[in-house]
Amino acid sequence: ETGVTQTPRHLVMGMTNKKSLKCEQHLGHNAMYWYKQSAKKPLELMFVYSLEERVENNSVPSRFSPECPNSSHLFLHLHTLQPEDSALYLCASSQDSLLGEQFFGPGTRLTVL
Amino acid sequence: AQSVTQPDIHITVSEGASLELRCNYSYGATPYLFWYVQSPGQGLQLLLKYFSGDTLVQGIKGFEAEFKRSQSSFNLRKPSVHWSDAAEYFCAVGQNTGNQFYFGTGTSLTVIP
Repeated sequence: ETGVTQTPRHLVMGMTNKKSLKCEQHLGHNAMYWYKQSAKKPLELMFVYSLEERVENNSVPSRFSPECPNSSHLFLHLHTLQPEDSALYLCASSQDSLLGEQFFGPGTRLTVL
Repeated sequence: AQSVTQPDIHITVSEGASLELRCNYSYGATPYLFWYVQSPGQGLQLLLKYFSGDTLVQGIKGFEAEFKRSQSSFNLRKPSVHWSDAAEYFCAVGQNTGNQFYFGTGTSLTVIP
C-alpha cells in the first residue's frame, strides 16, 4: 500500500464503548496528525506528533487519546464519546512539520449513538 | 488569533469557464498559505502553497493563487475549469512555529456541462 491509510473507514459506537482508529503512513514521514472534520465547520487540528513525540494537543477532551508507537503508525483511542463527536476523522502526515505538504488519509466516518 | 475565511460556501461554474475562489486570512506575522482540495470520499490534496517571494504561485492541475498582503487575501484561480475539478476546496494558514494550522470552512465547487 502507498500513501496514508486509515481503518476502519466507518465506525458506529455507543457512548459507553471503547474503540480505536488506526492510521498508517508508507511515506517515510516524521510527523503525523489527527484532524476532525465536522459539517459546516473548519477542519480542526487535534494532535500533532513529530518523531513519535506529541508536540501539540489543541484542547482536545481527554475522551480522545492518541498514541504514536512508531513513525509509521498513529492511533486515536476513543472512550465515552458524545454524539457531538460524530464526524470524519482525518489522519495526515508530512516530512517534518505542518508547513510541509501534508498527505491525508481518506478518513474514518464516526457515528456516536 | 489566526483565522481563515472563505466567503463562498458553494460555487457553480460551467465547464470551460474561469474560476476564482476567495480566501481571506487573519494572521499577525508573515503567513504561510495553502490551498487543499478534497474530492468526495477522499482525503485532502495540496494544490499549492505560498511562503515568500513571488506573490503569484503555480500549483498542480492548472491552478494558481495570488497573495495580496494589502487585502489579506490568497485567492485561487483557474482559467478553464474541467468537470473533474468538482470538489471541496480549502484555504489554510500555517503558523511559523509549525505547530498550528488553520483551515477555512471550504468552498464546494460544482461544474456543469
